[in-house]
Amino acid sequence: QKEVEQNSGPLSVPEGAIASLNCTYSDRVSQSFFWYRQYSGKSPELIMSIYSNGDKEDGRFTAQLNKASQYVSLLIRDSQPSDSATYLCAVNIRNAGNMLTFGGGTRLMVKP
Amino acid sequence: DTEVTQTPKHLVMGMTNKKSLKCEQHMGHRAMYWYKQKAKKPPELMFVYSYEKLSINESVPSRFSPECPNSSLLNLHLHALQPEDSALYLCASSQFNRGSGGETQYFGPGTRLLVL
Repeated sequence: QKEVEQNSGPLSVPEGAIASLNCTYSDRVSQSFFWYRQYSGKSPELIMSIYSNGDKEDGRFTAQLNKASQYVSLLIRDSQPSDSATYLCAVNIRNAGNMLTFGGGTRLMVKP
Repeated sequence: DTEVTQTPKHLVMGMTNKKSLKCEQHMGHRAMYWYKQKAKKPPELMFVYSYEKLSINESVPSRFSPECPNSSLLNLHLHALQPEDSALYLCASSQFNRGSGGETQYFGPGTRLLVL
């Protein structure tokens, strides 16, 4: 079992819809959770981080964390074609120093 | 400001060449990283420097040699690379987050390396 798992997609949503991206992780002592957006040929850009159970909102983005069920999700409201990218879920495990464990990424396509 | 810079943006080298990748951050971050990323794959950790000391080497071949001259700079020296080493090389730095007790990593723009 992979430590951090994401559906590779592509996830296709129409413009203006809510895109829901999911990530599950296997290590119960995972501490910090991150969503990075990566456009083709570019580097990952941090868009959300979450550490506590519940929801965290930032503009059109909402991260949701459920430690009991070991999943973290990213909701993108009012999706725009410019949101089309690969979204990487990353987990920092307690006592693993500074290391991040990445999921394989989900490719999101927002169609006009 | 969460800017990490990398030079060069693109690099083409032969298998007998020696080249270096450079990374710089002026945010006072205590840790810096090198990652390698192949197409359609997540970043793969190569090295971690913490307080200018190499703390993690993920079994990277010796043809990759990292160097941390000071707390703001990170180099990756390349020698006798193979065509399969062609990839996007990413530098990152991180800051401690009191809320989580962990580190938050920020990536530079990367160097696209092609080995012929």
